[in-house]
Amino acid sequence: GAVVSQHPSWVICKSGTSVKIECRSLDFQATTMFWYRQFPKQSLMLMATSNEGSKATYEQGVEKDKFLINHASLTLSTLTVTSAHPEDSSFYICSASWRDYEQYFGPGTRLTVT
Amino acid sequence: GQQLNQSPQSMFIQEGEDVSMNCTSSSIFNTWLWYKQDPGEGPVLLIALYKAGELTSNGRLTAQFGITRKDSFLNISASIPSDVGIYFCAGQRNAGNMLTFGGGTRLMVKP
Repeated sequence: GAVVSQHPSWVICKSGTSVKIECRSLDFQATTMFWYRQFPKQSLMLMATSNEGSKATYEQGVEKDKFLINHASLTLSTLTVTSAHPEDSSFYICSASWRDYEQYFGPGTRLTVT
Repeated sequence: GQQLNQSPQSMFIQEGEDVSMNCTSSSIFNTWLWYKQDPGEGPVLLIALYKAGELTSNGRLTAQFGITRKDSFLNISASIPSDVGIYFCAGQRNAGNMLTFGGGTRLMVKP
């Protein structure tokens, strides 16, 4: 199957700082990328959908000014958590798909805000 | 956000036993998918179902797309220790659209 990578795999930051997470499709061009967050022992909740070259579509309740998403190329999307707080600590997972084909998930990024 | 109703939430079984889990929804999905997630990793696709009534196998795994398009089940036969993990169902209304996930089934296998 297709390979999606995320970087970093884990990050610890201080409250008030910003953190950038990268999602890359390694062997295919991703026309759409999705960002999910997952709290411990819970399911994945979609945060936003991004199409290459256009603004991301955010799910209800997700602050677009806090979670900045940039899908600048067909192989890279970034999620920036701005002014992070401890409640933003979570497992962030991206997925990528080409046109209408299946979504492939990245390995996730664990964010801990102290 | 919306979640699918997935059950059971957890299962603790003996190695060699068969396992069954299912997902239901109040609304129709045109694609059903089953994923497995190991701790600290992203979900990995196990089986994708595209037609109502479709029954698909992948090794010891078998999944069916309910005829009403509002449910799906996953069976694992002759479980082994490496089957341990969390299994998620996901529904997709149209190709390329977002996935809606079930709450997950945590599977534990006793050797």
